Order: sequence, then C-alpha cells, then structure tokens
Amino acid sequence: QSALTQPPSASGSPGQSVTISCTGTSSDVGGHNYVSWYQQYPGKAPKLMIYDVIKRPSGVPDRFSGSKSGNTASLTVSGLQAEDEADYYCSSYAGSNNWGLFGGGTKLTVL
Amino acid sequence: QVQLQESGPGLVKPSETLSLTCTVSGGSINSYCWSWIRQPPGKGLEWIAYICYNGDTNYNPSLKSRVTISKDTSKNQFSLNLSSVTAADTAVYSCARLVSGAAHFDYWGQGTLVTVSS
Repeated sequence: QSALTQPPSASGSPGQSVTISCTGTSSDVGGHNYVSWYQQYPGKAPKLMIYDVIKRPSGVPDRFSGSKSGNTASLTVSGLQAEDEADYYCSSYAGSNNWGLFGGGTKLTVL
Repeated sequence: QVQLQESGPGLVKPSETLSLTCTVSGGSINSYCWSWIRQPPGKGLEWIAYICYNGDTNYNPSLKSRVTISKDTSKNQFSLNLSSVTAADTAVYSCARLVSGAAHFDYWGQGTLVTVSS
C-alpha cells in the first residue's frame, strides 16, 4: 500500500497563490471523487479543508480550493496569508479493500 | 460541536498490546463511522481502521493482522487494540469521525503520543 505522492515543500509570498499536488493512481485519486485535504499546525490536530475534491466545509476561507485532473489532485491557496503556513495532507478513497490513503504531507512556507 | 478525546498509556513495551480509547462528546457514535489514524514522529498520516454505527469495520491491510477496533455505545466510546508492537509503532494516535460515504474525516481528537520502548 503506497502513500499518495506530495511535494515535501511549497512556498509563496503573502498575496500570491500556491498549488500543492497529490499524485496517486487510477485506483485511488483517479478512480474516485473522494479526495480530501487537511491542514495541520505543529502539535495540533488536522483540520479538514477540502472534501470530495472541490467542496469546502463551512468556515474554511474560499481562498482554499481543490481540483483534480486524472490521477493528480491539487490544493490551491490564493491570497496567501501568514496563517496559512502549515503542513497539508491529501487523502483519497482507494476502494473497499485498501480503503484510505494519505499523502506524505507538504510543508507550506509563507515567505 | 463534536469533540473526541483519546486516552491510554503513553508507553508500551515491545511485543505487548497497545490499547487506546476515544471518548466522543457532542454527538453519538450510533451514527457515522469512527476511525483511528496515526502519525509517526516527523512522518505523515496513516489510516489504521474504522468502525461504523452498525458495527461494520475495515482495517488497513498492512496492519490488519494486529489490529482490532471495537465500540461501547453505552459509554459513547470506541477503542483500538494493536498487538505485538515494535518501535515502528511509536506514533501520535488520533481518533476521528469518518464521513464514510465520502471518505473524509471531519472531526479529530488532539492525538496522544504512544512510545514503544522497554
């Protein structure tokens, strides 16, 4: 069972946009519209930011958006703010026998 | 507001069984599914198992032979047992509510560090 592939780091200046990718296979990311993204500050619990590829839970700023193309999902953070500096993890449904996969995480730095 | 709180020993000896409990407040475990996820120090997240309101369970294939998840509806709790632990099982263990139809976790506990060491 392989984790989904994320870049270890990403960065941008305040006000800019940053996109974090999450690459899987046709059995997980590419085969289902069940990709989610989580934000995690050091020592804190992850927070759901995006689910079902593109949906935002109530309270999540619309600066956060999700998308998917083929086997790669993406999280875009627009209008970067200092508070966006955190670790971001993607997750995907991978079928009933290999149910849930996470990416290795991306550390987003706001320069 | 749903809240989850993990509890259990912070230190477990190699070859022994790690046992954790998650207490849910602000909602009933008689609805939704409930999951355990772990994060080794400095590493990424790994889903371990889930149990649903109707008793259905599912396990990470890589851990399935050592994991048992159960629930106690009278206490609004669910639990994790991981047997034959090694140092590789040292991690922060978190419980979370799973929206099973859509496969995402919408509420998380703060997590508890479990160290496997003699």
